[in-house]
Amino acid sequence: QSVLTQPPSVSGAPGQRVTISCTGSSSNIGAGYDVHWYQQLPGTAPKLLIYGNSNRPSGVPDRFSGSKSGTSASLAITGLQAEDEADYYCQSYDSSLSGLYVFGTGTKVTVL
Amino acid sequence: QLQLQESGPGLVKPSETLSLTCTVSGGSISSSSYYWGWIRQPPGKGLEWIGSIYYSGSTYYNPSLKSRVTISVDTSKNQFSLKLSSVTAADTAVYYCARRIFGTKRFDPWGQGTLVTVSS
Repeated sequence: QSVLTQPPSVSGAPGQRVTISCTGSSSNIGAGYDVHWYQQLPGTAPKLLIYGNSNRPSGVPDRFSGSKSGTSASLAITGLQAEDEADYYCQSYDSSLSGLYVFGTGTKVTVL
Repeated sequence: QLQLQESGPGLVKPSETLSLTCTVSGGSISSSSYYWGWIRQPPGKGLEWIGSIYYSGSTYYNPSLKSRVTISVDTSKNQFSLKLSSVTAADTAVYYCARRIFGTKRFDPWGQGTLVTVSS
C-alpha cells in the first residue's frame, strides 16, 4: 500500500506539457525528505529521471523537470514526445512505520 | 559502468522460500559509498521496497515484510541475496535489485528484474 499518491493516468498531444503530482504527508515529503522520480518504459526496469526534487542525471533531457512544495511534489514534461509514453513513479523516505523507502502509486503517461 | 543482474528460480511453491541473488559488475560491492537493495513490483502494480544492506552486513527491512525477509552480502563474489520465506501468491512479482548511494535516498541504477511466480 503506497503512501505517496499519484494520478493513475495523464495524457497529452505531442509537444504539449503535462504534469504529474505526488502527494505525501508530514512523515515523508512534508518532513523535508527529497523526492525522486523514475521512468519505467514498457517491459523495462525503472530508471532514475529526477533526483533531489529537481535535479536531472546526466543524459536526461531538460524537457523533464521536478519541483516540491509542502507535502507534495510534481514532475513536468514539456514538449511531450512519443518516447515519453511510460509509467512514472515518485519516491521518498518515510520516517513512520510505512516502510522507510516509499514509492508513489504510479502514473501512466499516454501520448495522444 | 555499474551493472546489476538478478538471478534465481522463476517459480516457487506456496509456503516455500524465495531465493534470489544480485550480481554486481563494473564496481565493488564493498565500497563504503553504497547500499544495495531489493524492490519488487507485482504484475500491473506499483513498486515496493523490500530491504537494503551495506557491505558490512547492516540491514534495513520494510516493516511489512520484516518477519519473512533476510538479505545477505557476499563480498568475495560481489553479490547480495534475498530470501523471502513462507511465500504466497501475493509475493508473485518482478524483483529488482538496485544501488543506493550512501547519504542519499534514491536508487540508481537498477537491475533488469526477474519475474518470480508463486504457484503450486
